[in-house]
Amino acid sequence: EPEVTQTPSHQVTQMGQEVILRCVPISNHLYFYWYRQILGQKVEFLVSFYNNEISEKSEIFDDQFSVERPDGSNFTLKIRSTKLEDSAMYFCASSQVNRDGDRELFFGEGSRLTVL
Amino acid sequence: GEDVEQSLFLSVREGDSSVINCTYTDSSSTYLYWYKQEPGAGLQLLTYIFSNMDMKQDQRLTVLLNKKDKHLSLRIADTQTGDSAIYFCAEKTGRRALTFGSGTRLQVQP
Repeated sequence: EPEVTQTPSHQVTQMGQEVILRCVPISNHLYFYWYRQILGQKVEFLVSFYNNEISEKSEIFDDQFSVERPDGSNFTLKIRSTKLEDSAMYFCASSQVNRDGDRELFFGEGSRLTVL
Repeated sequence: GEDVEQSLFLSVREGDSSVINCTYTDSSSTYLYWYKQEPGAGLQLLTYIFSNMDMKQDQRLTVLLNKKDKHLSLRIADTQTGDSAIYFCAEKTGRRALTFGSGTRLQVQP
């Protein structure tokens, strides 16, 4: 069964460093997403991406964050200068429009980011 | 803004039914979802329901939606130890992104 894959599974970084989290969405999907979950808190929406541009973003997704689809398969989230509060599990998701007209999201297993 | 609330913890005995509850605030929600997260794993979509339905059954899973009260529940019949996980309720309105609850940790005791 096709799945969304994410790398790395866990990254530890120093505050102020740049981090790139990588995702390979399901191959025929057109919509891509990043969510994050701070330990013990809700899963929060960060950004959605369609047709090579951001289609929606939350207040969390400030100028420190950027997304890119550098080739036909990868979808990346970059955090330019990490802060302690960026420590979280970051989930990538992708979707296609299903027969009900809904976008059913398929999530990866997450990348745990620890900022020291 | 939209909000989704769930109780944090539920403990049941193996073989019993589990009922996980969720309330949401957005009356224009179009889809409501249940996701399962096992330790160290991603979010697995279990089932979803359109807002114009009040019940959906899928094998051991039954979803009930009370749109008037903005209340969603997930019933798991014959709960097994493999059902132990965190269950997230989520809602979506139109093309907006999913809004998740905090998750309910289900513990199944043998």
